[in-house]
Amino acid sequence: KAGVTQTPRYLIKTRGQQVTLSCSPISGHRSVSWYQQTPGQGLQFLFEYFSETQRNKGNFPGRFSGRQFSNSRSEMNVSTLELGDSALYLCASHDGVPGETQYFGPGTRLLVL
Amino acid sequence: AQTVTQSQPEMSVQEAETVTLSCTYDTSESDYYLFWYKQPPSRQMILVIRQEAYKQQNATENRFSVNFQKAAKSFSLKISDSQLGDAAMYFCAYDNQFYFGTGTSLTVIP
Repeated sequence: KAGVTQTPRYLIKTRGQQVTLSCSPISGHRSVSWYQQTPGQGLQFLFEYFSETQRNKGNFPGRFSGRQFSNSRSEMNVSTLELGDSALYLCASHDGVPGETQYFGPGTRLLVL
Repeated sequence: AQTVTQSQPEMSVQEAETVTLSCTYDTSESDYYLFWYKQPPSRQMILVIRQEAYKQQNATENRFSVNFQKAAKSFSLKISDSQLGDAAMYFCAYDNQFYFGTGTSLTVIP
């Protein structure tokens, strides 16, 4: 099976702009989770989508939003970018069974200038 | 709220030696899962090992093993016979895997 893919891999934006990141999960996986990774903060959970519904949400402002399509592909949108949004954004694919492994994508590295 | 704490931001180990990475967590649940993930430099995060809380026996995967102390809410990772390829960030994660520690950067010294 193909692994988790994320596009684009690198992105440079300026403050105030918005950005959309995409994640394609492993075939058959219905759960996609998004994380923000920054040095010293580790991985911060953004949200999880399962079968097109947001099932869990972390403590991020409303500028961060997402959605999932019927083919399980997911997008994450960040509006009104701030300098502090510069980070590696990871998505993880999961089959929805408790205790099973998450499979991570390579990430999208976002730089906000 | 569940929290995961990794108190060692950086660790180093001599090649072929053994190193232990610490992780503690906080939960009121009795049944859950714990995970260790590895993130090599510029490479994707992968699962190293996982532990089911209701199992008393510590999980083992080749050179990787855990010391799971449920009452103490401790879940440490032991890497035996360390290899250069073990150099990476290691993250501890709890249950549904939405909760990760801040990571431990492991350096392996030749």
